Amino acid sequence: AQKITQTQPGMFVQEKEAVTLDCTYDTSDPSYGLFWYKQPSSGEMIFLIYQGSYDQQNATEGRYSLNFQKARKSANLVISASQLGDSAMYFCAMREGGSQGNLIFGKGTKLSVKP
Amino acid sequence: EPEVTQTPSHQVTQMGQEVILRCVPISNHLYFYWYRQILGQKVEFLVSFYNNEISEKSEIFDDQFSVERPDGSNFTLKIRSTKLEDSAMYFCASSEFRGHEQFFGPGTRLTVL
Repeated sequence: AQKITQTQPGMFVQEKEAVTLDCTYDTSDPSYGLFWYKQPSSGEMIFLIYQGSYDQQNATEGRYSLNFQKARKSANLVISASQLGDSAMYFCAMREGGSQGNLIFGKGTKLSVKP
Repeated sequence: EPEVTQTPSHQVTQMGQEVILRCVPISNHLYFYWYRQILGQKVEFLVSFYNNEISEKSEIFDDQFSVERPDGSNFTLKIRSTKLEDSAMYFCASSEFRGHEQFFGPGTRLTVL
């Protein structure tokens, strides 16, 4: 079974609008961390946001917020006020508590921001 | 702002040759990782390294792979006898604490001919 599922291979959003990228995860470990990374066409992996399984509040970093619904095992990324530079692949990843910190990635969502 | 660096940015090699990919993690980080991404696919974990030894490795990380921290700054991935299917982008990452955000280098694109 997939540990991280991103069901949207591609998404389009109009510039200045908000967009939600879906991510569901599967783990029986009570302690885990969820991460979002951005990969522009240049190829580098850019860390965006982190949510710990015990965090009471949803994580926010500037225009990025993580809609963490623990019971549903979902960790959707919300990007507000989309910009053309947000066009990229977005990967959701999980670190399970019992691991040495290695990340398990989803297949990614390609976001295209339209002017 | 400190960053992870990787060299070379692109490596082309013949099948069966040995390659060494180099990484300089962020200086105060203690945990180091290698990942790979075959073109168009997801990022896959290879190995984690802490306190001068491998702490975890995936099924991909077989006997042809090895990692080393030869000095206080470099972290290397060696592929002993490259195969066509080793062609991928290889990312090095580091984190200050276990489980914290990992900062990735820009990657080395390995092409095996």
